Amino acid sequence: AQRVTQPEKLLSVFKGAPVELKCNYSYSGSPELFWYVQYSRQRLQLLLRHISRESIKGFTADLNKGETSFHLKKPFAQEEDSAMYYCALGSGYALNFGKGTSLLVTP
Amino acid sequence: EAGVAQSPRYKIIEKRQSVAFWCNPISGHATLYWYQQILGQGPKLLIQFQNNGVVDDSQLPKDRFSAERLKGVDSTLKIQPAKLEDSAVYLCASSDRRYNEQFFGPGTRLTVL
Repeated sequence: AQRVTQPEKLLSVFKGAPVELKCNYSYSGSPELFWYVQYSRQRLQLLLRHISRESIKGFTADLNKGETSFHLKKPFAQEEDSAMYYCALGSGYALNFGKGTSLLVTP
Repeated sequence: EAGVAQSPRYKIIEKRQSVAFWCNPISGHATLYWYQQILGQGPKLLIQFQNNGVVDDSQLPKDRFSAERLKGVDSTLKIQPAKLEDSAVYLCASSDRRYNEQFFGPGTRLTVL
């Protein structure tokens, strides 16, 4: 069965601290993984995808097939990073979303 | 470019009533998705269209939910009759290719009393 698990509902960090949002998946094939973000009063939008191997707004995510993880990391959190973050697994044409982690960055 | 448009933004109905949502995707996007997002959960795919054909509707409760995409552009999602557990945000998204970025609309927040 395809499943995406985000174990933390809420993650609170201080500005300037490192942040890691965890995502684990279960999928029998070759996964396509994404991170989507929703800032307050804004639409859900793509943050990054694993095939691009790029850094967006200082965030990176590495696919670890051995641990079936796709954790999102940023070395120095900023207040504007406060948002809801969703990990998503692509299978076929659809996206299977996790329940999301709310990140709060406090000054 | 203009984003995905949805209407209405909010809807309050009583159980057993009917409701319809409308979505206009980004121009040229062949793939259109409807998601249901219940409070505290991630979006769940209800149905996916490729042009005006259905690609996946395996999670659509077909006894009460229906959707169509006429002429491969706009789409409507209908619930008839609504139940209390249908209270959620209904999101529409579109993309131009498989696994390409999905662009989301603002959503319609449905409250069923």
